[in-house]
Amino acid sequence: SQTIHQWPATLVQPVGSPLSLECTVEGTSNPNLYWYRQAAGRGLQLLFYSIGIGQISSEVPQNLSASRPQDRQFILSSKKLLLSDSGFYLCACSREYTEAFFGQGTRLTVV
Amino acid sequence: QKEVEQDPGPLSVPEGAIVSLNCTYSNSAFQYFMWYRQYSRKGPELLMYTYSSGNKEDGRFTAQVDKSSKYISLFIRDSQPSDSATYLCASSHRDYKLSFGAGTTVTVRA
Repeated sequence: SQTIHQWPATLVQPVGSPLSLECTVEGTSNPNLYWYRQAAGRGLQLLFYSIGIGQISSEVPQNLSASRPQDRQFILSSKKLLLSDSGFYLCACSREYTEAFFGQGTRLTVV
Repeated sequence: QKEVEQDPGPLSVPEGAIVSLNCTYSNSAFQYFMWYRQYSRKGPELLMYTYSSGNKEDGRFTAQVDKSSKYISLFIRDSQPSDSATYLCASSHRDYKLSFGAGTTVTVRA
């Protein structure tokens, strides 16, 4: 079964600083990969998804970007963080149209 | 309108009670239905996965999908304090994207 690694678990960054969150997947090949954000007490907001290397679809226009340099690596980035970027960021993977499996998340606080 | 609507609760029940959770969805193309459990400060964990209509049972958990009414349910029998968590429903069709409900927070009192 697949395992999703996300790091770091928590992160405190100043406004205007860059961001790089990395997600790697083990135990499967050619997965669909996702980045979600979860605000406190809220549901999951899909930010980006990828069905293959270099193929990124954006769901929400914002100052975040995503890249998939390798089959099982997904990176979420920002050049300049905003206060509104604070939240719980989750990486997930799935096969075809089936259920998604999640990593343990990164709690980002922008100060 | 969100594609998947879920009552956020919170829901508090005594230990041993049946927990009943519900979602409705608006997209008639949805064919895949999931329930996730999320403990505080953790990633969601897949509990149940169902394709199309019908019931699915796994231990104390039963998932039901009624496509005619666009209704998704999760029942937890003999609830335990360890079942205290937020439960998220999700649906998808053949476009790689899951639509999630807002999640229902459940507390099982010992």
